[in-house]
Amino acid sequence: AQSVSQHNHHVILSEAASLELGCNYSYGGTVNLFWYVQYPGQHLQLLLKYFSGDPLVKGIKGFEAEFIKSKFSFNLRKPSVQWSDTAEYFCAVNGNSGYSTLTFGKGTMLLVSP
Amino acid sequence: SAVISQKPSRDICQRGTSLTIQCQVDSQVTMMFWYRQQPGQSLTLIATANQGSEATYESGFVIDKFPISRPNLTFSTLTVSNMSPEDSSIYLCSVAKLAGEPQETQYFGPGTRLLVL
Repeated sequence: AQSVSQHNHHVILSEAASLELGCNYSYGGTVNLFWYVQYPGQHLQLLLKYFSGDPLVKGIKGFEAEFIKSKFSFNLRKPSVQWSDTAEYFCAVNGNSGYSTLTFGKGTMLLVSP
Repeated sequence: SAVISQKPSRDICQRGTSLTIQCQVDSQVTMMFWYRQQPGQSLTLIATANQGSEATYESGFVIDKFPISRPNLTFSTLTVSNMSPEDSSIYLCSVAKLAGEPQETQYFGPGTRLLVL
């Protein structure tokens, strides 16, 4: 069965600090990978996705993620966070061949202090 | 992407009653899903809503408790039946396979926040 592990449940950073949120997955095949973000009081939004090709993908609001196949990882990064990045971040995975269930990690709550 | 709306946005219900949640999409989509997000937890897939046939339920979820309808390619309902306080959660609709999108990205609705007393 597929699974997703997010390393940190809570992260607290100051503005302008760099961010890296860890995500590791377990899946017996090729995968699609996603990061979703849920801002306070808002619904879940797609931040970025990886299907194939360049393992470094860029998303909205200056976020990027790198797929490292050998490490089964898809870590999310941002060089300089802002207070408005305070949100919960979810990593998710599904299989690349045909349709398969989207499995979510438990989420990481990021708090950016001004 | 797609514009997805859910009704109601929130509700407070008495145990033993049922609530039907509606999900409407502004364009035709191939796939629709229902998720649950319990307090402090991640999202768990309840079922895939299939147009014109019975929904496909994940392990731990059954049709009697969570009946689902999908009469067309833009609308689905989820009913939470015979509710108990353990059903207090956020229920989310998601869609995938939008026209012109060859790959399976899911987009989520705003959710329905349910509190059962």
